[in-house]
Formats: sequence, C-alpha cells, structure tokens
Amino acid sequence: GAGVSQTPSNKVTEKGKYVELRCDPISGHTALYWYRQSLGQGPEFLIYFQGTGAADDSGLPNDRFFAVRPEGSVSTLKIQRTERGDSAVYLCASSLTGRTNYGYTFGSGTRLTVV
Amino acid sequence: QQQVKQSPQSLIVQKGGISIINCAYENTAFDYFPWYQQFPGKGPALLIAIRPDVSEKKEGRFTISFNKSAKQFSLHIMDSQPGDSATYFCAASMYRGNTGKLIFGQGTTLQVKP
Repeated sequence: GAGVSQTPSNKVTEKGKYVELRCDPISGHTALYWYRQSLGQGPEFLIYFQGTGAADDSGLPNDRFFAVRPEGSVSTLKIQRTERGDSAVYLCASSLTGRTNYGYTFGSGTRLTVV
Repeated sequence: QQQVKQSPQSLIVQKGGISIINCAYENTAFDYFPWYQQFPGKGPALLIAIRPDVSEKKEGRFTISFNKSAKQFSLHIMDSQPGDSATYFCAASMYRGNTGKLIFGQGTTLQVKP
C-alpha cells in the first residue's frame, strides 16, 4: 500500500482483557518495527522484525506482550491481561531494509485505552 | 547510555522567527541522527537527518547542526510558520548495526504564533 496502515485506530478495552493490534507495512518493506508512545513522550522501541523473525525484541516490557509476523508482511502486536499502564499509542513503522534511513515510515498508530 | 535528552519541552515562536531545539546523547556508537515531526493523531514523519561525518545539513528552512565532540545536535527552523506548529523529536540510531532501532528524545511542542 501507499503507507503503513494500522488498525484499529482506536481501541478501548477493560483491564484484564486481551487485545490485538494490526500493522500492514508498505509493500516490499522487509523490516517492521513496533513502538509505544505514552502521552507527552517520545516513541519507545518495542520490537523489530526482519522478514518473519523477531531480530530484536529487547523493548517488550514483559511477557504479556508478544508480536508475530508469520508471512513477513502483516504484523500483529498482542497484549494479554491488559493493565491501565498499557494505555498508549502503539506505532508501527516499516523500512526497505533494517537501515534507519531507507524509507523508514510510521503509521498513524493505534490509541489503546485500558479502563 | 541509550538515552537522548531533548530540550526545551515546549517552545513558542513568532511567525518569521527562528526555532531552535537541542538534543544530547551519550552513546558514541550512535551514528545516525534524524529529526521527526509529528502532528496530533499522526505518526512521526522524517524531517531531516544527519550522519556524524558532517557538522551541518540544510534542507529548505530546516538545518541540523552537529557537534560530535560535545555529543550534541540541534534543529533550526528558519522563518518559522504557523504550519510548523507540531511536536518535534530528535532520535539516534546505530546505522552500522543494521537493526533500525531508533532511540527518541522526549519531544518539543512548537507553537508558531501568527
């Protein structure tokens, strides 16, 4: 597609529920990234995929967070047993390769609110 | 060591003025320094970027100044316009590391008054 697409744009869930956030990267981009942006803060790295594999998951805060990219294109970020502190905008980005200056493009994000 | 510190947190400039945002880093392995612009409800968009082998890069009204010895870099917006009102983030990455992981500053909210 023309840009990075993230769905849903907004998600409200109850504490303790499970959520899935979807990212559809730019066609042909092999690298995909998830970031979390809390209110008034800069984006914080969560995980990086090169193709189907998670090349760097050092930013995932705990084992309630998991992400997959089974066919090397669309990725899903999964959060189990959501907590109020998980409320944030979750951003996805993709790039041609794993290099930061090769068409690194962010989506508009999913705003997650845990009530 | 992985942090990028950004200042000021907010900035108000008159139309036509110069906006200056500063960032500092500790990790000398960083070798790619982009600036991103973010409007409400949108993702960050790349504005301009610099590698440490040059001290300055200019694109239109936007200039990055880079001081490798001080481990500091700054964004200058000349002739600031109301349409520049947005949040600006500096970031750093290890280009040679081939991971694409960006470390962001805390952001600066810029308001340009007409």
